Amino acid sequence: EVVLTQSPGTLSLSLGERTTLSCRASQSVSNNYLAWYQQKPGQAPRLLIYGASTRATGIPDRFSGSGSGTDFTLTISRLEPEDFAVYYCQQYGNSFPNTFGLTFGQGTRLEIK
Amino acid sequence: QVQLLESGGGVVQPGTSLRLSCAASGFTIGNFEMHWVRQAPGKGLEWVAVVSPNGDIKYYVDSVKGRFSISRDNSKNTVYLQMNSLTAEDSAVYYCAKDMIRGRPDYFDYWGQGTLVTVSS
Repeated sequence: EVVLTQSPGTLSLSLGERTTLSCRASQSVSNNYLAWYQQKPGQAPRLLIYGASTRATGIPDRFSGSGSGTDFTLTISRLEPEDFAVYYCQQYGNSFPNTFGLTFGQGTRLEIK
Repeated sequence: QVQLLESGGGVVQPGTSLRLSCAASGFTIGNFEMHWVRQAPGKGLEWVAVVSPNGDIKYYVDSVKGRFSISRDNSKNTVYLQMNSLTAEDSAVYYCAKDMIRGRPDYFDYWGQGTLVTVSS
């Protein structure tokens, strides 16, 4: 199983700031098959990024993903009020052929300062 | 538009069973892998199970193997999760999620609103 470790656990930032969230894998994620989700209280997660760097449909361009191998980042260029939420990374690369498991990081909470 | 509507959650005693349903609309589930993902209260996301488009391939997280069973009825555009021998550790909101690309389990572009399962004596 690929373990994803997100850091930091909580970020306290102000509107307009730039931030980078980290997701580190316990082993290399094949084909950079890594996704990011945003979850607000009482809501289902929303897909932001897949393939480490491709924005999902309708996601603002202030969100960007990067990284490869074991280290991935989600960057939000200018924080808007609606961006304060919990962010999860998820890998889908290391599932074949002998074992299978989609795994999530434990999440980073982004709160307003 | 794509919608996923889960149902079947509730409060049950340890050791009992529950079946969750996920009714899809706005797309044909027979074209995609479909998943269940859960989230314990105040905790993170945990992938639970996936079923292939025609239902012949199923995978589970280790903690539910032998107890949970995922299935689908493409004629009803519905996915199911049969949960047996429930324990308190299974208490969570259970989300149904659509895989974005057919062919292998990947990532989830649509999620339902979730159904809460509470296992308690």
